[in-house]
Amino acid sequence: DIQMTQSPSSLSASVGDRVTITCRASQSFSGWLAWYQQKPGKAPKLLIYKASTLENGVPSRFSGGGFGTEFTLTISSLQPDDFATYYCQSRGPLTFGGGTKVEIK
Amino acid sequence: EVQLVESGGGLVQPGGSLRLSCGASGFTFSNYWMAWVRQAPGKGLEWVANINQDEREQYYAGSVRGRFTISRDNYRNSVYLQMNSLRAEDTALYFCARDDIAGSTKAFDVWGQGTMVSVS
Repeated sequence: DIQMTQSPSSLSASVGDRVTITCRASQSFSGWLAWYQQKPGKAPKLLIYKASTLENGVPSRFSGGGFGTEFTLTISSLQPDDFATYYCQSRGPLTFGGGTKVEIK
Repeated sequence: EVQLVESGGGLVQPGGSLRLSCGASGFTFSNYWMAWVRQAPGKGLEWVANINQDEREQYYAGSVRGRFTISRDNYRNSVYLQMNSLRAEDTALYFCARDDIAGSTKAFDVWGQGTMVSVS
């Protein structure tokens, strides 16, 4: 089975900081990679699909990149609403990463 | 408004059974794959199962294969998860999600709020 490894597992950052989360796949896959944001007690929300395409309504400070087995989620200027846990998810096969918790410094 | 609402969670003893339901509204349900994703307390997301539009294709995570069955009723705009032989490790919040595998995102683009299953 494919493993999706996110790093870091948690980070502390300040409002306005640039934040990058990495997702590494243990093997090649279809390349369809999505990113989700989840706040405590809430359902996940789709942010990015196909590695770099922003879902409708998602702020442009979020961006995705990468190919092959290494992908990134970048928040260009962290806002108070962005403190949450972020998950990557592969397709073909379907697997979630372990999550990255973004906390306030 | 596009919406998914789960129900059917609760407390069950190990070895017991439970059937989760998820009602959909605001979109043409019969056009979409649907999925169940779970999250154990304090843990990450785990895909459980998904099903295509006419029930001919169903896929399961290895951890639930042979014990869980996903099904749907396009007339009732609902998807179900029958869970048998439940174990303590099945304790989780179970989310219903719209699976856009056949569309442009190929991701879970709509989520319900979840229903809690506790096995103890």
